[in-house]
Amino acid sequence: GAGVSQSPSNKVTEKGKDVELRCDPISGHTALYWYRQRLGQGLEFLIYFQGNSAPDKSGLPSDRFSAERTGESVSTLTIQRTQQEDSAVYLCASSLDTGEQYFGPGTRLTVT
Amino acid sequence: AQSVTQPDIHITVSEGASLELRCNYSYGATPYLFWYVQSPGQGLQLLLKYFSGDTLVQGIKGFEAEFKRSQSSFNLRKPSVHWSDAAEYFCAVSNTGGFKTIFGAGTRLFVKA
Repeated sequence: GAGVSQSPSNKVTEKGKDVELRCDPISGHTALYWYRQRLGQGLEFLIYFQGNSAPDKSGLPSDRFSAERTGESVSTLTIQRTQQEDSAVYLCASSLDTGEQYFGPGTRLTVT
Repeated sequence: AQSVTQPDIHITVSEGASLELRCNYSYGATPYLFWYVQSPGQGLQLLLKYFSGDTLVQGIKGFEAEFKRSQSSFNLRKPSVHWSDAAEYFCAVSNTGGFKTIFGAGTRLFVKA
């Protein structure tokens, strides 16, 4: 596709439920990133994938968060047993080796 | 550990006035430095980047930034602000290879007529 796409654009879930967020990177981009942006705040690094290397998971806030990537394509971010503090916009980005990141529109997650 | 500080939470400038947004970073080696803009209702877009070489870099929309190693700064400038520049601006730093990226908290720019 022309850009990074994310789905769903909005997700409302009840506390305690699991959610899956999807990211389709730009074709050919070797690196893929997930960030969390709480209302009025900056971007919080969560995880990145680079080619076949082990992902850097150092930003995941708890073991309720996990992410997978299939080759150099789609990635899913899973949040188990959601909590209200998980409410945020989750942004995905992809890049070539230069590190210049192209961002998707984000998924707005609301935990009620 | 890497960190990025944007001291100004928000700035208001008049249309046509000059702009400087501050960014200070903490990093042991020579970092890769970026400025991104997030306009209301839109995604983040790269304005400019510094990897090496000339310390004054030009970006899109008339923006430029200067890397000053001695001050650990990478300030963003624009000589004449337009109303459409009102947005949130993020400075970011990453390691060589440019993967794990740390973003500053952002500076929200307001433009008054």
